[in-house]
Amino acid sequence: DTGVSQDPRHKITKRGQNVTFRCDPISEHNRLYWYRQTLGQGPEFLTYFQNEAQLEKSRLLSDRFSAERPKGSFSTLEIQRTEQGDSAMYLCASSSRDPGQGGYEQYFGPGTRLTVT
Amino acid sequence: GDSVTQMEGPVTLSEEAFLTINCTYTATGYPSLFWYVQYPGEGLQLLLKATKADDKGSNKGFEATYRKETTSFHLEKGSVQVSDSAVYFCALSDLNSGNTPLVFGKGTRLSVIA
Repeated sequence: DTGVSQDPRHKITKRGQNVTFRCDPISEHNRLYWYRQTLGQGPEFLTYFQNEAQLEKSRLLSDRFSAERPKGSFSTLEIQRTEQGDSAMYLCASSSRDPGQGGYEQYFGPGTRLTVT
Repeated sequence: GDSVTQMEGPVTLSEEAFLTINCTYTATGYPSLFWYVQYPGEGLQLLLKATKADDKGSNKGFEATYRKETTSFHLEKGSVQVSDSAVYFCALSDLNSGNTPLVFGKGTRLSVIA
């Protein structure tokens, strides 16, 4: 079990550019979550998947944001036409629905820090 | 909607002091409660959890008791160490309805000085 990994760890982009982040969950976990954390705040939920199905999206997820989990394994989060307000840490977490496999706890990756200049 | 309120930081303590970080919640269902910790330069780690009223979660000398009557889940440690310096987040999730996303408080930064 190597934990949740995210790539890249840091991304600096110019306003108006598109960016894509990747998350690899713990291998046996079927749920995958994306959160956003700005400085001095707690993480805020963006969206989550169960296997390849996107089950819930928060109202924070504007039309410029899209997430996929094509084969129920890794996930990507894309932000189109980035704005300075998108600068934040983007966190990925995964969990299992099986109480025997760590229960419903969410395990977090190290995050991708996005800076939009 | 559901929400979590935790005490503002930063909190600065001397080594071996007693720590309390207050956390209260508002939830429509019967949530599970969590404390996560974020050490400098690292990701969020689950510190402890409680899934029903009067449960006590404990780990690494930290503990918190799920108090339904006061909708609280205060974090305590009897004797803090410099290595406990981190940001602590209280969170809830309504697991009974299928592991809904976590709702976090704003975090409390703890600094422990030798």
